[in-house]
Amino acid sequence: DQQVKQNSPSLSVQEGRISILNCDYTNSMFDYFLWYKKYPAEGPTFLISISSIKDKNEDGRFTVFLNKSAKHLSLHIVPSQPGDSAVYFCAARKMKTSYDKVIFGPGTSLSVIP
Amino acid sequence: KAGVTQTPRYLIKTRGQQVTLSCSPISGHRSVSWYQQTPGQGLQFLFEYFSETQRNKGNFPGRFSGRQFSNSRSEMNVSTLELGDSALYLCASSLGPGVGQETQYFGPGTRLLVL
Repeated sequence: DQQVKQNSPSLSVQEGRISILNCDYTNSMFDYFLWYKKYPAEGPTFLISISSIKDKNEDGRFTVFLNKSAKHLSLHIVPSQPGDSAVYFCAARKMKTSYDKVIFGPGTSLSVIP
Repeated sequence: KAGVTQTPRYLIKTRGQQVTLSCSPISGHRSVSWYQQTPGQGLQFLFEYFSETQRNKGNFPGRFSGRQFSNSRSEMNVSTLELGDSALYLCASSLGPGVGQETQYFGPGTRLLVL
């Protein structure tokens, strides 16, 4: 039972263009969402998060959009840079109703082509 | 501020042995979580500790156990190792379980190879 899904295992984007990574979740009780970036042989690095009370959060080149009715969130990277090439994990958790573990999606491998 | 540290970084064991991995959280962080990542898989949650108490547990067999000390450092132990336990074991820390304290920061991981 995969509660957090990232249906695109991989994505290729030209340098300078927008990268859009998608994530869907099934549990409507999730109220906090995070994106992590992971390089090979390293631990994931926190990128950006969003609470369910918001529909958008922006930090530099990274913007996360949350559509609660569709149970969908997306990460936009503008402009994409070669250093953004990594695996991106979407994660979700319940915080307010009951403190619960973080659930991670399977990841999307992003390649930014120079 | 120093990040999450994990020791050892690499480990080779044989089937049937047991192993203990260590994690030191970011200073001031009191919550520690452990994850297993195998090739082609996402991050599988093992357990989470806060104030020396296990708060959440994933779907792993009892061979996987953990503990947290009063200084928030954490260890996880795997007994009777199996080949399928070969993985990258990641530790993550956060301030705590409260709203506004949720973001987890990861260590570099311990790469375990079971032969």
